[in-house]
Amino acid sequence: EAQVTQNPRYLITVTGKKLTVTCSQNMNHEYMSWYRQDPGLGLRQIYYSMNVEVTDKGDVPEGYKVSRKEKRNFPLILESPSPNQTSLYFCASSLRPGLPPGELFFGEGSRLTVL
Amino acid sequence: GQQLNQSPQSMFIQEGEDVSMNCTSSSIFNTWLWYKQDPGEGPVLLIALYKAGELTSNGRLTAQFGITRKDSFLNISASIPSDVGIYFCAGHPTNRNNLFFGTGTRLTVIP
Repeated sequence: EAQVTQNPRYLITVTGKKLTVTCSQNMNHEYMSWYRQDPGLGLRQIYYSMNVEVTDKGDVPEGYKVSRKEKRNFPLILESPSPNQTSLYFCASSLRPGLPPGELFFGEGSRLTVL
Repeated sequence: GQQLNQSPQSMFIQEGEDVSMNCTSSSIFNTWLWYKQDPGEGPVLLIALYKAGELTSNGRLTAQFGITRKDSFLNISASIPSDVGIYFCAGHPTNRNNLFFGTGTRLTVIP
């Protein structure tokens, strides 16, 4: 079954404790992206990757890192989480190469709480 | 970042009624997409539009890519309870890799 898988789905952590949210897709998609969803703000892009070893900042990259060592995986790293990073995070992937990526397939989301 | 104004923010409608929502941007877009998010899940693509003026249907859903390339609308006809959810518009500005999302329209259908 074609899917985007995120882990963990739920996480409560404390300020400053490094964490990684993994994302994996099984559709051989070139484009992958991370979004955060906050009430009243919709979905805001954190980072995206056009292909392996190619990543770029989205609208709200501060406090986050990503890597794309393999095509299927695109982990989101919070080196020193802070309470303002409490949010619902979505990973997404897309088949279409180049511009624009267009149609995205989303994971089920990871709800992160930073105390 | 890119501003996408989506309206209305929320709607409460009776089952069987038609629904209309729209999205406007401050710049020209190459692509408009409409997604639906059910509670506890990620957004799912409903309709994708790639040309100005394009009108596309998916069952009871119809969406249009505005002629000015700065707006799009989504209509849902004869709403049913499973239409409940949050609807997001999204689009690609020219010369940008990013897909920008609107703030969403929360739809409630009263049986």
